[in-house]
Amino acid sequence: GQQVMQIPQYQHVQEGEDFTTYCNSSTTLSNIQWYKQRPGGHPVFLIQLVKSGEVKKQKRLTFQFGEAKKNSSLHITATQTTDVGTYFCAAGQEGNFNKFYFGSGTKLNVKP
Amino acid sequence: GAGVSQSPSNKVTEKGKDVELRCDPISGHTALYWYRQRLGQGLEFLIYFQGNSAPDKSGLPSDRFSAERTGESVSTLTIQRTQQEDSAVYLCASRTGHGDTIYFGEGSWLTVV
Repeated sequence: GQQVMQIPQYQHVQEGEDFTTYCNSSTTLSNIQWYKQRPGGHPVFLIQLVKSGEVKKQKRLTFQFGEAKKNSSLHITATQTTDVGTYFCAAGQEGNFNKFYFGSGTKLNVKP
Repeated sequence: GAGVSQSPSNKVTEKGKDVELRCDPISGHTALYWYRQRLGQGLEFLIYFQGNSAPDKSGLPSDRFSAERTGESVSTLTIQRTQQEDSAVYLCASRTGHGDTIYFGEGSWLTVV
């Protein structure tokens, strides 16, 4: 299937520090979604990006879709302990808007 | 229902037995997905249903895996002759045909012993 690389695998930050996770694809994507999964929980949809260069914000979270639609990032400003979890990107295939391949996830730990 | 419902929530089965996992999507959601997540890993695409179209089965790992969906409602994922490597959480998700939010169920935790 389509390869979506996500880095870093783990990130440990002090509460108040910023955090960024990146997703990269070798092929052009139709869209990209971001999810958060708390330990022991199921993935929860955060956002979908569709347009080249798109930037969306949700409070302290900023999502970007690259100009070439091959990469995306999620940035959290001033992390809080409630941000702990694993963040996944899910890439939609070009030509198939509805089929998604997930990245391996970035596990975020926030120390109070 | 209010959310995506999956059953059973936990299943322990002996190697070689067949298992059936059920997903009841949100009412009105035409798209339904099955993913597999091994412990500490990402989500692995298995199969995707969209309305009455032929399902995309390209992610099913072997012919021991099959899935069906009745119209736009319940889906069943069947694993025949289970192997230990099938142990994982099986997650179901649904969305409307044109909406952007995908809702996941709590998952079915399968352990093959």
